[in-house]
Amino acid sequence: NAGVTQTPKFQVLKTGQSMTLQCAQDMNHNSMYWYRQDPGMGLRLIYYSASEGTTDKGEVPNGYNVSRLNKREFSLRLESAAPSQTSVYFCASSEPAGGYEKLFFGSGTQLSVL
Amino acid sequence: QKEVEQNSGPLSVPEGAIASLNCTYSDRGSQSFFWYRQYSGKSPELIMFIYSNGDKEDGRFTAQLNKASQYVSLLIRDSQPSDSATYLCAVEGRTYKYIFGTGTRLKVLA
Repeated sequence: NAGVTQTPKFQVLKTGQSMTLQCAQDMNHNSMYWYRQDPGMGLRLIYYSASEGTTDKGEVPNGYNVSRLNKREFSLRLESAAPSQTSVYFCASSEPAGGYEKLFFGSGTQLSVL
Repeated sequence: QKEVEQNSGPLSVPEGAIASLNCTYSDRGSQSFFWYRQYSGKSPELIMFIYSNGDKEDGRFTAQLNKASQYVSLLIRDSQPSDSATYLCAVEGRTYKYIFGTGTRLKVLA
């Protein structure tokens, strides 16, 4: 059981370049999320998708776009990367678990924008 | 004021001692509270969930919630070097599903 799989694990971009972070889950979860984690800032929600075909902005959506391709996959696109987007990105999915949604995180993508 | 506040640490405790990690939150309407553990270079994993005032125990971990004081804590009894990690407090928010604190780094000294 792979859980939540993110690719790539590491990426270096130049300012202005574009790229897509891929995320797939094999747990049949409806909800999926993209977070970024920066030192001193904690985990911040970029976008989330409550179900296939729906996406909503989180706390820090500027500079990002997302696609919920199907129930399994939720991708994050940086159209024109900026140094401020240097961060560790986590994809997550969630399932109902007795009154709350239990988050399952992928292993993360360390992105550096030069 | 941040929505979820934690002392960044590091909090150093000797092996076998009780580690006490604290978290305050600003939204009085928050209902659900979580503690995640994150080892260096790894992803967060859920270790405790609490929604009622009082204590909730799971093995060596005890979560404590005081909604009147808007305060959540995590106690780790008989701390082990393997408990050395960053502990993230998270609160279910009104606008976004979860609001995370910045985390407290715990170091358990052998």
